[in-house]
Amino acid sequence: SSELTQDPAVSVALGQTVRITCQGDSLRSYYASWYQQKPGQAPVLVIYGKNNRPSGIPDRFSGSSSGNTASLTITGAQAEDEADYYCNSRDSSGNMGVYVFGTGTKVTVL
Amino acid sequence: EVQLVESGGGLVQPGGSLRLSCAASGFTFSSYEMNWVRQAPGKGLEWVSYISSSGSTIYYADSVKGRFTISRDNAKNSLYLQMNSLRAEDTAVYYCARDDERDYYYYMDVWGKGTTVTVSS
Repeated sequence: SSELTQDPAVSVALGQTVRITCQGDSLRSYYASWYQQKPGQAPVLVIYGKNNRPSGIPDRFSGSSSGNTASLTITGAQAEDEADYYCNSRDSSGNMGVYVFGTGTKVTVL
Repeated sequence: EVQLVESGGGLVQPGGSLRLSCAASGFTFSSYEMNWVRQAPGKGLEWVSYISSSGSTIYYADSVKGRFTISRDNAKNSLYLQMNSLRAEDTAVYYCARDDERDYYYYMDVWGKGTTVTVSS
């Protein structure tokens, strides 16, 4: 099955911009979706597709993709953005319902 | 309000069985594909299983294939995960998540709060 690789941790100063990347072969076939997870809480979808935000997600969250790499950018990071972030895509094995999650990135807002 | 509520978690001995349930409300359950996703303590998210809206198509992660069975009852707006031959490494919070698709974008847009499964003697 496919794998999605993320940097384990990144930090960003309050109000600055941070980009989280996700690499994997499945991203050549499928767009990534991105999930934010705060301690003790369920994941929340923040970006899906080319660059789509669900209702209620601030516009400081954006997504992009190129080749085998997907990126999540937080422009003007806020204290409440400190969380773990996971990318996800369908597996490129050919079975449409098989998913793979990235290894996760812990974002610290300084 | 669109909602998913998991139940059925608990403490079970290695080799034992457990059945998780996920009650859906606030949307037309029968129109959506569904997933189970788990998270071991201090670890990342792991996709476990998928079921199509009708229940006719099912997939499993290799780590649970042959031991777990996903099912659904659209009349009861419920999703299930039957877990047999449980191992210590199955210890995790189990989430049910709604699968959605738009313009060939695939994502899980609604998640439950999770139910905790602990496999230990």
